[in-house]
Amino acid sequence: GAVVSQHPSWVICKSGTSVKIECRSLDFQATTMFWYRQFPKQSLMLMATSNEGSKATYEQGVEKDKFLINHASLTLSTLTVTSAHPEDSSFYICSALVSGQDNQPQHFGDGTRLSIL
Amino acid sequence: QKEVEQDPGPLSVPEGAIVSLNCTYSNSAFQYFMWYRQYSRKGPELLMYTYSSGNKEDGRFTAQVDKSSKYISLFIRDSQPSDSATYLCAANSGGYQKVTFGTGTKLQVIP
Repeated sequence: GAVVSQHPSWVICKSGTSVKIECRSLDFQATTMFWYRQFPKQSLMLMATSNEGSKATYEQGVEKDKFLINHASLTLSTLTVTSAHPEDSSFYICSALVSGQDNQPQHFGDGTRLSIL
Repeated sequence: QKEVEQDPGPLSVPEGAIVSLNCTYSNSAFQYFMWYRQYSRKGPELLMYTYSSGNKEDGRFTAQVDKSSKYISLFIRDSQPSDSATYLCAANSGGYQKVTFGTGTKLQVIP
């Protein structure tokens, strides 16, 4: 149980385009989802916390107009990287908490490798 | 100082060895401690989840937390080549609070 699916798993696109990444909880409802970024040989850095039906909370230094987050349902959160540039190339990973289960660990998706040419 | 410190390795051990992975943390508010395993180009997979100080065992894996010294450990018995991965320690203060990760230790188990 507690499966999180992320799509796409890999995307390559030209500089200046916008890219949307989906994060779905397949067998549970997730009021809260998280978006992380991971550079090679580095740890996960939290970008933002996404709550269903409300605005995301961004970590310090993360541009909210650059990384648009939408959490319109209890099973889907999306991250849109707007006007992507090569420096946005990274591994983006989402995670989700099972609704109503406080103090339980986050369940992670398999990540999206984003390469901007 | 990072809130969660972890030796990046790499750590190479022969198959069958006992592996010890360790982290230290600085935030006294941390109550929940996690170990994740991450294979290359994949998301983290939860291995162990513990609350406060103490030990927790699951198969070949044992997690230890010592809050007095702010030290967390993961032991892997009878290590297998399939255990080769990066191991991330993590902690938070509970509920829906932000999880802070260590940088990960890369483990290689040699057949």
